[in-house]
Amino acid sequence: QVQLQESGPGLVKPSETLSLTCAVSGFSISSGSYWGWIRQPPGKGLEWLGSIYYSGNTHINPSLKSRVTLSVDTSENQFSLKLTSVTAADTAVYFCAAHRRPESTIAVAAYYFDDWGQGSLVTVSS
Amino acid sequence: QTVVTQEPSFSVAPGGTVTLTCGLSSGSVSARYYPSWYQQTPGQAPRTLIYNINTRSSGVSDRFSGSILGNKAALTITGAQADDDSDYYCVLYMGSGNWVFGGGTKLTVL
Repeated sequence: QVQLQESGPGLVKPSETLSLTCAVSGFSISSGSYWGWIRQPPGKGLEWLGSIYYSGNTHINPSLKSRVTLSVDTSENQFSLKLTSVTAADTAVYFCAAHRRPESTIAVAAYYFDDWGQGSLVTVSS
Repeated sequence: QTVVTQEPSFSVAPGGTVTLTCGLSSGSVSARYYPSWYQQTPGQAPRTLIYNINTRSSGVSDRFSGSILGNKAALTITGAQADDDSDYYCVLYMGSGNWVFGGGTKLTVL
């Protein structure tokens, strides 16, 4: 059974960089699949931030492209998110998730989110 | 910028059937958008229900089904139960490696 666990500081100061790591167990990151980050501001909806393949190939939300960096560490079986120049609007629960392809197709468009982490609340405040 | 639209709220009686939709502020949803659906209860991580339009995720009840209805993606819940009382989100692939969540529908079972 695949399990994902987010970790990182719960409080970040405005203008600084938010850094989170997602540890994956029960599945090797190198076996395939993209790995994604999704966030949810308090009381609001979900927003996809970006996804990374084990090889390092990434897809990033165009609205956040200038501030988001994704990385993967296959030796530690984990992947990470960095979000720069944060403001209060970046306060949210950050989820990591497997971003999988259905077996019936090779289309990138068909990828869907599966096996979610429990989420990590990050507050941006001085 | 095209927005993914969902009904903000919906209600259904226990045992009833409800269809939630996922559309576009401009244009029609078709199979090439590969809609997926997620259920979320307060304080919990989302749970994957449907992907690739109509494929149920492992362990998901067959009371949940996905389809394309007219110009929108749709999630139909039959035999509504109390624990279906949740928020439901759709995701559409918008091209160029970009996935977009809808704003979510708060479903009340009463």
